[in-house]
Amino acid sequence: DAGITQSPRHKVTETGTPVTLRCHQTENHRYMYWYRQDPGHGLRLIHYSYGVKDTDKGEVSDGYSVSRSKTEDFLLTLESATSSQTSVYFCAISDSGTGIYGYTFGSGTRLTVV
Amino acid sequence: AQSVTQLGSHVSVSEGALVLLRCNYSSSVPPYLFWYVQYPNQGLQLLLKYTTGATLVKGINGFEAEFKKSETSFHLTKPSAHMSDAAEYFCAVRGPSGGSQGNLIFGKGTKLSVKP
Repeated sequence: DAGITQSPRHKVTETGTPVTLRCHQTENHRYMYWYRQDPGHGLRLIHYSYGVKDTDKGEVSDGYSVSRSKTEDFLLTLESATSSQTSVYFCAISDSGTGIYGYTFGSGTRLTVV
Repeated sequence: AQSVTQLGSHVSVSEGALVLLRCNYSSSVPPYLFWYVQYPNQGLQLLLKYTTGATLVKGINGFEAEFKKSETSFHLTKPSAHMSDAAEYFCAVRGPSGGSQGNLIFGKGTKLSVKP
């Protein structure tokens, strides 16, 4: 999607290894989000950020940490990957904290933990 | 608490037939409601949204949705399905008041198949 890129697009990693996913935006939006998508569960919020160095937990934050040192970058880290974290991860951005504009989504990162 | 229920995880229609995807919500604040579409191996794309004002909302690709407060519904329709409409569709509502108000809560999705 224009203005928001996720890297890598695909990754296979071993159980117990650390993994970092990157979300980069060029829209200068204040709000950034990490979701995971799993069959039968839809999208579930992991963490979100409402500014540089300002982050908060979502509904499925256990096992994940995030950092935002610059407006344009939001990193998601799996400290010690487990098979249950095999999923498709989506980053989203918004320039409103009220939800009025909805989100713009990245293309996703497909992560497989073996 | 905010929640979204999408009735039917799979819907199949014939090309040219009416598309109806159902979404019911609960919300402790005036709802902002969204429909997103996801094509295979892609991210989610905004189809349409309701925030305030007119309750019949028109979106891209000929889709529309009607906000019915009394029924807490926001069903998605399209008069005539096209093969290119085959995708997964997600309904979403904004989060509760406070710091998480801007967060969207998604339904589990409805996969639409279109038969020739």
